[in-house]
Amino acid sequence: SQTIHQWPATLVQPVGSPLSLECTVEGTSNPNLYWYRQAAGRGLQLLFYSVGIGQISSEVPQNLSASRPQDRQFILSSKKLLLSDSGFYLCASGFGGLMYFGPGTRLLVL
Amino acid sequence: DAKTTQPTSMDCAEGRAANLPCNHSTISGNEYVYWYRQIHSQGPQYIIHGLKNNETNEMASLIITEDRKSSTLILPHATLRDTAVYYCIVAGFQGAQKLVFGQGTRLTINP
Repeated sequence: SQTIHQWPATLVQPVGSPLSLECTVEGTSNPNLYWYRQAAGRGLQLLFYSVGIGQISSEVPQNLSASRPQDRQFILSSKKLLLSDSGFYLCASGFGGLMYFGPGTRLLVL
Repeated sequence: DAKTTQPTSMDCAEGRAANLPCNHSTISGNEYVYWYRQIHSQGPQYIIHGLKNNETNEMASLIITEDRKSSTLILPHATLRDTAVYYCIVAGFQGAQKLVFGQGTRLTINP
């Protein structure tokens, strides 16, 4: 099975500051990679997905961007955080409907 | 929008079987039914999936109706650690699938 690494586990950032969340995957090659966000008490919202290096599809227009510089590395970024960017950010890897999720990063924007 | 409908919450006694229903009346012929669960403050965990036959693994059993419009996830002997939100999702089996996680069913196992 795959192992998904995410860091940091928690992050507190001021409004207007930049963001970079990293996700790395072990145990597979050329996976489909995903970024989801979960606001407090809400469901999971798909933000981005990638089927290969340099290939990014955005699902929701917003203040965030994603990049995939290596096969098993997926990065979520923002130039200026908004209060509404607070949430639980989850990276996932998989094929078809079978996905493995990372432990997540809990982001609080103040 | 989620293509599935699940009860918002359910309770089950520890040691009993937990049966979680899901309706997916618009499922297409090449879509599978997947179940995930999310324990508080963790990422979702894959449980099981199926196309049309009943499936069983070490975690659970999946019963899919003959018309494939609904399914039931069965946790045969629920424990307190099974308390979680359970998501029923329909998706294809290949390529990049944009899984839609609805509100799920919040299952509480009571001692």
